[in-house]
Amino acid sequence: DSGVTQTPKHLITATGQRVTLRCSPRSGDLSVYWYQQSLDQGLQFLIQYYNGEERAKGNILERFSAQQFPDLHSELNLSSLELGDSALYFCASSVGWSDSGNTIYFGEGSWLTVV
Amino acid sequence: GIQVEQSPPDLILQEGANSTLRCNFSDSVNNLQWFHQNPWGQLINLFYIPSGTKQNGRLSATTVATERYSLLYISSSQTTDSGVYFCAVRNNNDMRFGAGTRLTVKP
Repeated sequence: DSGVTQTPKHLITATGQRVTLRCSPRSGDLSVYWYQQSLDQGLQFLIQYYNGEERAKGNILERFSAQQFPDLHSELNLSSLELGDSALYFCASSVGWSDSGNTIYFGEGSWLTVV
Repeated sequence: GIQVEQSPPDLILQEGANSTLRCNFSDSVNNLQWFHQNPWGQLINLFYIPSGTKQNGRLSATTVATERYSLLYISSSQTTDSGVYFCAVRNNNDMRFGAGTRLTVKP
């Protein structure tokens, strides 16, 4: 158990719908990261928040948005869903925001299926 | 961005065998981690190793930052070692994963 908690574990929804994925970081971690893992694209970094502020942005679509709340939990909102958005979405956390000295721990992921 | 290449892409071993997985990266990095993704999809952190050598039980890892590669050694492999092993590097807050090495350990 990494200490990073993600809900829901599984989600099936229809095209065009909107879903919200939730993440609670490890106790004491201020950084939260979101990743998408799909069969054709592999593991891709979406976005990072540190202590409530956006820190880095990767290949996140405009239909997707995220935020980190004062209690440090984070939500990833996916809207106007398409079949190609079906993937395993991971949340990860680390103590700091920088590259160096920060081990990143992953949650168990949220399996999203768009039908 | 940084390119990360892992080899081999697939590896099949008999239980008890040893193996070496390689990760090459195209630029200097501040952070390198090895992960194991088990058959249930969980990504488990194995090592944080931007340089040097670390060991944890039957697993060890070495990163030679100046030559831009890292190696993961698995000794006396067990069926529970099966899964995909990812190398991930990080520079300027951009974390890139390799395509992974899929390891199958047969009893």
